[in-house]
Amino acid sequence: EVQLVESGGGLVQPGGSLRLSCAASGFTFSSYSMNWVRQAPGKGLEWVSYISSSSSTIYYADSVKGRFTISRDNAKNSLYLQMNSLRAEDTAVYYCARDFGLGRGNFDYWGQGTLVTVSS
Amino acid sequence: QSALTQPASVSGSPGQSITISCTGTSSDVGGYNYVSWYQQHPGKAPKLMIYEVSNRPSGVSNRFSGSKSGNTASLTISGLQAEDEADYYCSSYTSSSSVVFGGGTKLTVL
Repeated sequence: EVQLVESGGGLVQPGGSLRLSCAASGFTFSSYSMNWVRQAPGKGLEWVSYISSSSSTIYYADSVKGRFTISRDNAKNSLYLQMNSLRAEDTAVYYCARDFGLGRGNFDYWGQGTLVTVSS
Repeated sequence: QSALTQPASVSGSPGQSITISCTGTSSDVGGYNYVSWYQQHPGKAPKLMIYEVSNRPSGVSNRFSGSKSGNTASLTISGLQAEDEADYYCSSYTSSSSVVFGGGTKLTVL
């Protein structure tokens, strides 16, 4: 059974940093591209970042470019999102999502999400 | 990249059919056959219902179908059931190698 489990969310002050993790199991992690997608409270979905299976290709949404860094460790079956210079508008539930469409937006499995709250 | 345009809400009675539209531009919906649709129940993670415009993942009911014409994609749900009540989001690949979502549509089963 495919499972994605996010962790690392919490309360952080504006300007602070946080590192999210996504532990994958039930599939060959190294064969799939992965993404982070977020959802602000009561709002819609927003794509955040993409990383290819070998980490050779990485994309970011304009809203996080230069502040967030996506990475993965295929030996540990894990995906990460390093978030720096956090702003109030980054407050959201962050989901990791498996991508079977090579970056074309086919997200077939999602984690349960981890909540990030940016507030003083 | 601006969000794709979806109606805020749609409704229908059990057994009826409804269609949710998703309008973008030639740089996203109109330019690629990479439109997906997701269902999200309150407090739950999104679930993929349609990918690449009209393909259904294994396990998704054939009551769900997708199509596209020009810059507008559509999700049709036939034989509405109470369990279909949820938020629905479209997404599209873009010319910037990013993915853009629609604002979401709340489906109410009357």
